[in-house]
Amino acid sequence: AQTVTQSQPEMSVQEAETVTLSCTYDTSESNYYLFWYKQPPSRQMILVIRQEAYKQQNATENRFSVNFQKAAKSFSLKISDSQLGDTAMYFCAFIKNSGGSNYKLTFGKGTLLTVNP
Amino acid sequence: GAGVSQTPSNKVTEKGKYVELRCDPISGHTALYWYRQSLGQGPEFLIYFQGTGAADDSGLPNDRFFAVRPEGSVSTLKIQRTERGDSAVYLCASSRGGAGRNEQFFGPGTRLTVL
Repeated sequence: AQTVTQSQPEMSVQEAETVTLSCTYDTSESNYYLFWYKQPPSRQMILVIRQEAYKQQNATENRFSVNFQKAAKSFSLKISDSQLGDTAMYFCAFIKNSGGSNYKLTFGKGTLLTVNP
Repeated sequence: GAGVSQTPSNKVTEKGKYVELRCDPISGHTALYWYRQSLGQGPEFLIYFQGTGAADDSGLPNDRFFAVRPEGSVSTLKIQRTERGDSAVYLCASSRGGAGRNEQFFGPGTRLTVL
């Protein structure tokens, strides 16, 4: 079974600054995806960024980028130029890409990020 | 196009009552999922549908929970004899197919409160 650990329950950052959220995971799989989801108070879970385990290049989406360290099983999210609208819960998640149960997302407990003006 | 919708947005019920939670997936998505998010936790998998059939219901906590998707589109999660421990946000998601490479799109959830 896979596990996802987010060791930072809460973080805060000043507007326009950069913040990094941490995530580690445990799996024996080699073919999988990792995700960061954002959940604002509206509860709508929104995909922020996705990384395929076979790709060595770190994924980037505008102000969001990841540092994927496969051997260390680490997957951190960097948010640059933080904006007030980034305030939300952020969840790290894992899914297998092949074999049994390759439809089941496993989530961490989340990190509450607050962006201060 | 329209995203995943869930009704009701909030549901308050008394212990022992029966509740139904509805999910309308994105049109054309064959895969549908239910997750439960307890306070302070990440979502946890409950059940996965591929078309009309429940391909995996291993996450349902006990036999008080049941879900259907009779026409391969709308799904209903049914909880009998509700308990206070059932209080949580119930999230529905859908995707084009069931493999990991297919992005799961989430609805806004139903917050269930059992008094």
